[in-house]
Amino acid sequence: QKEVEQNSGPLSVPEGAIASLNCTYSDRVSQSFFWYRQYSGKSPELIMSIYSNGDKEDGRFTAQLNKASQYVSLLIRDSQPSDSATYLCAVQTGANNLFFGTGTRLTVIP
Amino acid sequence: DTGVSQDPRHKITKRGQNVTFRCDPISEHNRLYWYRQTLGQGPEFLTYFQNEAQLEKSRLLSDRFSAERPKGSFSTLEIQRTEQGDSAMYLCASSTGTGVGEQFFGPGTRLTVL
Repeated sequence: QKEVEQNSGPLSVPEGAIASLNCTYSDRVSQSFFWYRQYSGKSPELIMSIYSNGDKEDGRFTAQLNKASQYVSLLIRDSQPSDSATYLCAVQTGANNLFFGTGTRLTVIP
Repeated sequence: DTGVSQDPRHKITKRGQNVTFRCDPISEHNRLYWYRQTLGQGPEFLTYFQNEAQLEKSRLLSDRFSAERPKGSFSTLEIQRTEQGDSAMYLCASSTGTGVGEQFFGPGTRLTVL
């Protein structure tokens, strides 16, 4: 059984701060890792993908992967109220389906 | 808008009725996935197509569920004899056929079974 664990939160940060979201996974053969953002009542929106150990930056978002520790994280710099959403971590092996965590709810306080 | 469309966006039905949902993937994507999401949970995989071939089905996909992708383009998901426990958001995603392929989700169909 593949498991993806996230802190459910809620996580609250003040506007302009760094939000740090964490995810661990159980299947060592997992190859691809994704972060999706989901606003209430909407579908998941892909914001980051990472495949290799280390950091990957895209604008205010940085994804970090450590396969040895089976850990992936997402940092959001200069958090904005519009970043308030649920962030879903997803793990994939090969070209197959995604396994999702339950998500972390982030609230950015103006 | 990711380019994946789903229809209908909302469906309310009575227990025991059959429902069918449609997904149109991004045109150049040959992989299509169906997921189900309930409140407070992440999406759960239901089934996956590569072109018209259904390659994998989750144990969540009971015999009341069937999915097709007849010409490798759009897909349908049918639920027969709906139960209240089927109430959920049904999500479709698509990806390219090369490499691992990032999956892009449609807006979903929200099903309410009364």
